[in-house]
Amino acid sequence: QSALTQPASVSGSPGQSITISCTGTSSDVGGFNLVSWYQQHPGKAPKVIIYEDTKRPSGVSVRFSGSKSGNTASLTISGLQAEDEADYHCCSYAGSDTLVFGGGTKLTVL
Amino acid sequence: EVQLVQSGAEMKKPGESLKISCQGSGYNFPSHWVGWVRQMPGKGLEWMGIIYPADSDTRYSPSFQGQVTISVDKSITTAYLQWSSLKASDTAMYYCVSPYTSSWPGAFDIWGQGTMVTVSS
Repeated sequence: QSALTQPASVSGSPGQSITISCTGTSSDVGGFNLVSWYQQHPGKAPKVIIYEDTKRPSGVSVRFSGSKSGNTASLTISGLQAEDEADYHCCSYAGSDTLVFGGGTKLTVL
Repeated sequence: EVQLVQSGAEMKKPGESLKISCQGSGYNFPSHWVGWVRQMPGKGLEWMGIIYPADSDTRYSPSFQGQVTISVDKSITTAYLQWSSLKASDTAMYYCVSPYTSSWPGAFDIWGQGTMVTVSS
């Protein structure tokens, strides 16, 4: 059971859009509609921002959206704001009652 | 308010045992899965395992099976993560989590504040 693959870092300027990828296999990301994304600010606990591939919890900005194609899930943040600077983690159900996380992506807002 | 409140930071020596706790409040604790997630310094998140308080049904990540024990005392709405012999490589922040809204294996929408465990001689 290997960790999902995320880019170590991405960056963008305020107002721009960025996309973070999360690549797995047909046994995890591609096999279930159970990818979630978490935002983590320094020194804080993570917070869920996307669940079940594309759904946004109540209270999460519409600027955050999730998608999936095959074995790769993606998180898009539109209209980047300074407060979006954080670490982002993807997670997928991997069958047999197990979960797998990605390595995390550091987002820098330039 | 639905929340998970974890025990405080721990400093231990290699070979020592440890049990950290996570108390749920504001909801029907027995009916919602509670899990644990590790974050080593400067690293990503790792799912360790999860337990259903009503019947103590427990699932472990293959990476953590046999390395830790997850348990629960539903009478005091508290879940536990336990080590019998700590290693320096257990140094990490540990979060308790719950897929409160979606149930298992849904997303973790409730997180504790984290417990920092430091293992050093």
